[in-house]
Amino acid sequence: QTVVTQEPSFSVSPGGTVTLTCGLTSGSVSTRYYPSWYQQTPGQAPRTLIYSTNTRSPGVPDRFSGSILGNKAALTITGAQADDESHYYCVLYMGSGISVFGGGTKLTVL
Amino acid sequence: EVQLLESGGGLVQPGGSLRLSCTASGFTFSRFAMSWVRQAPGKGLEWVSAISGNGGTTYYVDSVKGRFTISRDNSKNTLYLQMNSLRAEDTAVYYCAKEAAPGGFDPWGQGTLVAVSS
Repeated sequence: QTVVTQEPSFSVSPGGTVTLTCGLTSGSVSTRYYPSWYQQTPGQAPRTLIYSTNTRSPGVPDRFSGSILGNKAALTITGAQADDESHYYCVLYMGSGISVFGGGTKLTVL
Repeated sequence: EVQLLESGGGLVQPGGSLRLSCTASGFTFSRFAMSWVRQAPGKGLEWVSAISGNGGTTYYVDSVKGRFTISRDNSKNTLYLQMNSLRAEDTAVYYCAKEAAPGGFDPWGQGTLVAVSS
């Protein structure tokens, strides 16, 4: 069974740049997996950041960008701010209507 | 403005049933696939089920196949999730989401809590 992998945790300094990744235990991520990214703070519904690899949801600042880096999908945050401190989840579309979430990355800004 | 509003959550005993609803506004509901995603307490997000825009095709995660049924009424702009034979491990906040692209959920509702306990 293929699992979607994310770093469990990451930290970034205020104003810094961080790249979170989303991979597969077997195989490489490509655009055909339509990778998407979501931000979630405790007690809140997820907020969509990116879908279809690099399409930003309306209202999402361009500090957030999506791409494919090597064999993984990537979410890059530039100019990190205190309120970027959240959990970040990726989703890969496996085809046949099935989507799979990664386990999430807890991002700390300090 | 696109809005999704879930309802129908609550406390139910193991083996019981519950039907969740998600009322949509601000977009042409019938043109978009819709999904349900859940989050158990303190855990990550899990995709549960999806349905095509015309309701003709449905998809489920293995753990709910045969127990949950997704459906929609495009005349009422409403998405449903019928949950039968509920188990403790189904306890979660259930979110509905519009599919902007395959696997691309945008936006999300605010969620409704389902608690399965005796």
